[in-house]
Amino acid sequence: DAGVTQSPTHLIKTRGQHVTLRCSPISGHKSVSWYQQVLGQGPQFIFQYYEKEERGRGNFPDRFSARQFPNYSSELNVNALLLGDSALYLCASSPAGHDGYTFGSGTRLTVV
Amino acid sequence: AQSVSQHNHHVILSEAASLELGCNYSYGGTVNLFWYVQYPGQHLQLLLKYFSGDPLVKGIKGFEAEFIKSKFSFNLRKPSVQWSDTAEYFCAVNAGTGRRALTFGSGTRLQVQP
Repeated sequence: DAGVTQSPTHLIKTRGQHVTLRCSPISGHKSVSWYQQVLGQGPQFIFQYYEKEERGRGNFPDRFSARQFPNYSSELNVNALLLGDSALYLCASSPAGHDGYTFGSGTRLTVV
Repeated sequence: AQSVSQHNHHVILSEAASLELGCNYSYGGTVNLFWYVQYPGQHLQLLLKYFSGDPLVKGIKGFEAEFIKSKFSFNLRKPSVQWSDTAEYFCAVNAGTGRRALTFGSGTRLQVQP
């Protein structure tokens, strides 16, 4: 039984570049959320999608965007990368968006 | 907006000691409460959750938590810790109605010494 899968696992980018992170939820889960975890802190909410529609957005700049596809997988896009975007990006899926979340292993993004 | 406070940032215990990690949240309405654990090099795993009913919730690996509504608290407990419990522990809440994101505390790093 596959859990939440994220790709890539690690990524190094240069300031100003663009990055796309991908997430496949658990089969049957219709909601995907994205979180940013900076070292030493708890995860911070970025986006939530349910049934392909954005249902929530955290306090992140417009450089961050996301979408959910018909198969419920999701992409997180970050434009014009800054050094401060270096973090672990986590994807979480849940059946309906409020009833328990399963997290993936994350994508470690390093911006140099 | 809701917030979550975890007062203990770093806790060091010896094996077999009892554990209690504090968690307080700020939100006056209905809440769902969670404790997650992150073992070194691993992803976040759900320890336990509270939605409604019995305020004493039992989770995996011998952990339990008690929801005290009057104190806005959801403290995590374990009677006897093991070296394998060394990890970071996060309290999280989602609040209100509809589809809601999780708000996490800053985490507590637990170090269990053999």
